[in-house]
Amino acid sequence: QVQLVESGGGVVQPGGSLRLSCAASGFTFSIYGMHWVRQAPGKGLEWVAFIRYDGSNKYYADSVKGRFTISRDNSKNTLYLQMNSLRAEDTAVYYCAKDVGSGRLYWGQGTLVTVSS
Amino acid sequence: DIVMTQTPLSSPVTLGQPASISCRSSQSLVHSDGNTYLSWLQQRPGQPPRLLIYKISNRFSGVPDRFSGSGAGTDFTLKISRVEAEDVGVYYCTQATQFPWTFGQGTKVEIK
Repeated sequence: QVQLVESGGGVVQPGGSLRLSCAASGFTFSIYGMHWVRQAPGKGLEWVAFIRYDGSNKYYADSVKGRFTISRDNSKNTLYLQMNSLRAEDTAVYYCAKDVGSGRLYWGQGTLVTVSS
Repeated sequence: DIVMTQTPLSSPVTLGQPASISCRSSQSLVHSDGNTYLSWLQQRPGQPPRLLIYKISNRFSGVPDRFSGSGAGTDFTLKISRVEAEDVGVYYCTQATQFPWTFGQGTKVEIK
């Protein structure tokens, strides 16, 4: 059974940092690309970042480029999102998602990040 | 970036009646490999999104056959042949043809 469990969300002040984790189980993590997608409260979905199965390529949304870093540790079956210089507009539920090809994503349950003073 | 535009944004439907959602992309979604990476997601209240349809018309595992997708190029449609109570939620189209992946604004399906 595929499981993606996000953690690390919480309340942080503007300008602060946070690292999200996504623990994967039930599949061979090291052969799949992974995404982060976010959803602001009451709003739609926004793709954030992607990392290839081996970490060799990474892509980012312009809104987070230079502030967020996606990474993975295949030995720990874990995906990360390091978020720096956080802004109020980064407040959202952050989902990690497994990319099974052809545009198909399998989604985790999400973790809430609130940027507020 | 490819802009995805959905219509309508809200769709009140009578149980047992059909529903249809349109999605238009600002440029063709045909990939250089010949495939069109247009998917439809369902998000029930309080739940994460769930994949319904991929590559325009392919139903994902476990998705009821009352859901169908069609279209080509820049114009796509999701149809629910007979809406059931469990279909209430927000539906998103999304493109995976090029980075950044982008989503439509979402269409809220509710029961009249």
